[in-house]
Amino acid sequence: AQSVTQPDIHITVSEGASLELRCNYSYGATPYLFWYVQSPGQGLQLLLKYFSGDTLVQGIKGFEAEFKRSQSSFNLRKPSVHWSDAAEYFCAVGKYSGGGADGLTFGKGTHLIIQP
Amino acid sequence: EADIYQTPRYLVIGTGKKITLECSQTMGHDKMYWYQQDPGMELHLIHYSYGVNSTEKGDLSSESTVSRIRTEHFPLTLESARPSHTSQYLCASSEWDGGFNEQFFGPGTRLTVL
Repeated sequence: AQSVTQPDIHITVSEGASLELRCNYSYGATPYLFWYVQSPGQGLQLLLKYFSGDTLVQGIKGFEAEFKRSQSSFNLRKPSVHWSDAAEYFCAVGKYSGGGADGLTFGKGTHLIIQP
Repeated sequence: EADIYQTPRYLVIGTGKKITLECSQTMGHDKMYWYQQDPGMELHLIHYSYGVNSTEKGDLSSESTVSRIRTEHFPLTLESARPSHTSQYLCASSEWDGGFNEQFFGPGTRLTVL
């Protein structure tokens, strides 16, 4: 069965500093990978996704992520964070069953705190 | 504006009550999902649907049930709520073409069972 590990429960970054959130996955085939952001009291918003092709993917709000098959990783990065980036970030891998694409398996999330 | 809605946003209810959490989307998506999220934890898929009259159980066993009578509507029901059902429930929808498409999430319903 597939799984997603986000090793950092909390990360604190100063405003304007760079950010990297780690994600490792376990999946037998080529993975479909996603990063979502959840602001307090809100639903999840898709930041970016990787299906195939270029291993460096660009997303919304200035985020990017790099797929590294050899390390089973899909880390999220941003060169300069803003106070509005404070939120919960979830990495997810798409799940296939016999009937086709079913749902997503999520990591436990990383809580991002931005210091002024 | 195309969107996905969940009502109520917050619900506090006593043990043994029957509750229905509503989820509606205006995007014409065939596929819909329910996820359960405990505080500080990951989301777990509990139900999904490929379209009208289709319902499937997800990865996490749940005592809740779902129905899909209309494309835009995917309600979740608990016949007898218990404190162990206290959690956040997130509804999502996506296009369905056999592959993976972006899932659009509603704002969630935070359920507390006393």
